[in-house]
Amino acid sequence: KNQVEQSPQSLIILEGKNCTLQCNYTVSPFSNLRWYKQDTGRGPVSLTIMTFSENTKSNGRYTATLDADTKQSSLHITASQLSDSASYICVVPLYGGSQGNLIFGKGTKLSVKP
Amino acid sequence: DAGVTQSPTHLIKTRGQQVTLRCSPKSGHDTVSWYQQALGQGPQFIFQYYEEEERQRGNFPDRFSGHQFPNYSSELNVNALLLGDSALYLCASSPTEGQGETQYFGPGTRLLVL
Repeated sequence: KNQVEQSPQSLIILEGKNCTLQCNYTVSPFSNLRWYKQDTGRGPVSLTIMTFSENTKSNGRYTATLDADTKQSSLHITASQLSDSASYICVVPLYGGSQGNLIFGKGTKLSVKP
Repeated sequence: DAGVTQSPTHLIKTRGQQVTLRCSPKSGHDTVSWYQQALGQGPQFIFQYYEEEERQRGNFPDRFSGHQFPNYSSELNVNALLLGDSALYLCASSPTEGQGETQYFGPGTRLLVL
């Protein structure tokens, strides 16, 4: 079954600390994996998109890693800020392409406290 | 350059009624996808439109239908509303098939069915 699973479900950290979010997927065929940030009640915003040949990709304080062999990805947030409080969703397209059905994880809800 | 826009932002309906949600894609994008996001869950794919035709469909009943216009804007129609249809409805647009192209999401329409 094509699934995307994320952990932890929720996370609370202090401002300035680092954190790592995990994503495991079983979607096949695989071509790329995306991380989105979603503020409460808003649409998701793309952070990174990684193809199967990429191991790591950074976007500012966000660094995503991908291990296509173990079908795992992580999102590392460095020097967290209060504005990082949001849900972080791991997404893998079904049918192996950029278009089509996106399989979403349930997200990790991150709360950054002062 | 306007991003993806959706209207209305909020909507309240009663069971059995019909609703139409609207989406304008990002400039240069010709593919529109619709997702339903229940509270605390990841978005679920409803269907995708390209060249004014439904190209892919998720596991949603026929009560959910759509349309795409020549200017690439799209509508989502839901008939015979159920309480369980209460959710955030997200529209996402993307350019024609290209490896690694990401989807851009609108802010969503929050539907409440009473």
